[in-house]
Amino acid sequence: SAVISQKPSRDICQRGTSLTIQCQVDSQVTMMFWYRQQPGQSLTLIATANQGSEATYESGFVIDKFPISRPNLTFSTLTVSNMSPEDSSIYLCSVDSGKETQYFGPGTRLLVL
Amino acid sequence: QKEVEQDPGPLSVPEGAIVSLNCTYSNSAFQYFMWYRQYSRKGPELLMYTYSSGNKEDGRFTAQVDKSSKYISLFIRDSQPSDSATYLCAMIVSGSARQLTFGSGTQLTVLP
Repeated sequence: SAVISQKPSRDICQRGTSLTIQCQVDSQVTMMFWYRQQPGQSLTLIATANQGSEATYESGFVIDKFPISRPNLTFSTLTVSNMSPEDSSIYLCSVDSGKETQYFGPGTRLLVL
Repeated sequence: QKEVEQDPGPLSVPEGAIVSLNCTYSNSAFQYFMWYRQYSRKGPELLMYTYSSGNKEDGRFTAQVDKSSKYISLFIRDSQPSDSATYLCAMIVSGSARQLTFGSGTQLTVLP
């Protein structure tokens, strides 16, 4: 299985600011995914990020609010822009295993005041 | 109606009990089925992965898929306090850009 790290592990941010979350994987992967998990809830897919192409966003998520970069096959970033308290959540990246399943990072816990 | 339904619990059992966790789904195109375990303040960890109907066993864990009934289960034998976590079922439609559809998760506590 892939080893995935995320930075930061947690942060407290002020309303109106932006935070960039980094996701690093120890092997090259084609597809990376970004999820949001609100307290006590399941995972909601934000977008799929393929290297060399624009990210594909799910309904309810837009690029202006959640810009994503995927500069190479082992790294991706998700930015949460112009944050509000409603953005307080856990943000998770995952990678495609090549076997119709995914491995997840440890998550970034975000609190917006 | 959600595509995947999972009883959120919470479920509390004594140590050593057999635990049964279940999900139902409505989309017959789902072909790959997974169970993830998520400890508090951690990311989901892949526990079991199955493709076809039937049972798959791994140590104390057995995953069961019944495609005709659109029903999947995870059984935990000889449950331990270390099994206390939230268990998420997840499914994929083959060829769907590998997008997972998750259940809402069941919170399990195993009491010593």
